[in-house]
Amino acid sequence: EAQVTQNPRYLITVTGKKLTVTCSQNMNHEYMSWYRQDPGLGLRQIYYSMNVEVTDKGDVPEGYKVSRKEKRNFPLILESPSPNQTSLYFCASSWASDTGELFFGEGSRLTVL
Amino acid sequence: AQKVTQAQTEISVVEKEDVTLDCVYETRDTTYYLFWYKQPPSGELVFLIRRNSFDEQNEISGRYSWNFQKSTSSFNFTITASQVVDSAVYFCALSEYDSSASKIIFGSGTRLSIRP
Repeated sequence: EAQVTQNPRYLITVTGKKLTVTCSQNMNHEYMSWYRQDPGLGLRQIYYSMNVEVTDKGDVPEGYKVSRKEKRNFPLILESPSPNQTSLYFCASSWASDTGELFFGEGSRLTVL
Repeated sequence: AQKVTQAQTEISVVEKEDVTLDCVYETRDTTYYLFWYKQPPSGELVFLIRRNSFDEQNEISGRYSWNFQKSTSSFNFTITASQVVDSAVYFCALSEYDSSASKIIFGSGTRLSIRP
């Protein structure tokens, strides 16, 4: 089954404790992206990757890191989480960087205390 | 810079009514793509439609239809004879064609509630 898998789905952590949200897709998509969803703000792009070893900042990259060492994986790293990073995070992938439909993971709800 | 505006934060209608969700976009590019996504109460995001900037033909898929008008920079979504299962948050999105970068910008969403 074609899918984008995120883990963990739910996480409560404390300020400053490094965490990684994993994202994996099995569709051989070149394009992957991370979004955060906050009430009233819709989905905002954090980082995206057009292919292996190619990543770039979206609109809200501060406080986040990503890597794309393999085509299928695109982890989101919060080196020192802060309460303003409490949000619902979505990973997405697509066969084409800007023309293809996005396939989304189920979302990861992160709470930073 | 690209921007997507969904001015309707929330809409509530009675089942079987028709409802239109507005989407207005801004872009400097002549080549771009527009999308609609649905987020039902279960939380997943589901792709509904993609339209490129050179195709202004309206699209109909069952009870769903989309009206793309470049003259007003709008890409509106109409649900005919709405049903309770249509209750969701709907997002409009825009991507500009640029091989060196690829930002896909979403609007803030419209929460649609269909009352039985």
